[in-house]
Amino acid sequence: NAGVTQTPKFQVLKTGQSMTLQCAQDMNHEYMSWYRQDPGMGLRLIHYSVGAGITDQGEVPNGYNVSRSTTEDFPLRLLSAAPSQTSVYFCASSYSSGNNEQYFGPGTRLTVT
Amino acid sequence: GEDVEQSLFLSVREGDSSVINCTYTDSSSTYLYWYKQEPGAGLQLLTYIFSNMDMKQDQRLTVLLNKKDKHLSLRIADTQTGDSAIYFCAESPMNTGFQKLVFGTGTRLLVSP
Repeated sequence: NAGVTQTPKFQVLKTGQSMTLQCAQDMNHEYMSWYRQDPGMGLRLIHYSVGAGITDQGEVPNGYNVSRSTTEDFPLRLLSAAPSQTSVYFCASSYSSGNNEQYFGPGTRLTVT
Repeated sequence: GEDVEQSLFLSVREGDSSVINCTYTDSSSTYLYWYKQEPGAGLQLLTYIFSNMDMKQDQRLTVLLNKKDKHLSLRIADTQTGDSAIYFCAESPMNTGFQKLVFGTGTRLLVSP
């Protein structure tokens, strides 16, 4: 198993540009989520999904969209990037939403200038 | 709401024991996790405990839970230089359906030879 994969590893955007961060898992996990990691603030939940076709907002959802058309993929879209979205983004998955033993991807480092 | 707090930094010598502390605020039943993050990498689950347990041991790792004080600790015996990393405490409360992980800010552990 490849586990949780994320692309790209690094990205630089200009303010106002849009992009999609890709996340995929091959473990047949129902639950997937996106976090951002900022210095001194730990990880904060952006959006999560408990299964294909179902998504919900986390702690910091503004400026981000998600969809879950398949069990394997959970892309995160930035519609109009802002410097405040400069961060490291982690995707995670787990078998179910109970006992949330999540497996994390390697992260995407995004810089918005 | 949920809040998880950790001290920011811990320095120990190789061979000593390390104790990383965490406090949480949620009073509902909850899973409590310890994750390790090495530089440039995602988070790796080390161990977890449910809030009806007092202790869990897994090789060099011992988790202690004081439910009354809502205090969680991770003890690493015989700390090695390879244990140098950031350690995150996280909780997943029952009142969120165990669907959300709330992270602390992380404790940076530095192990010197």
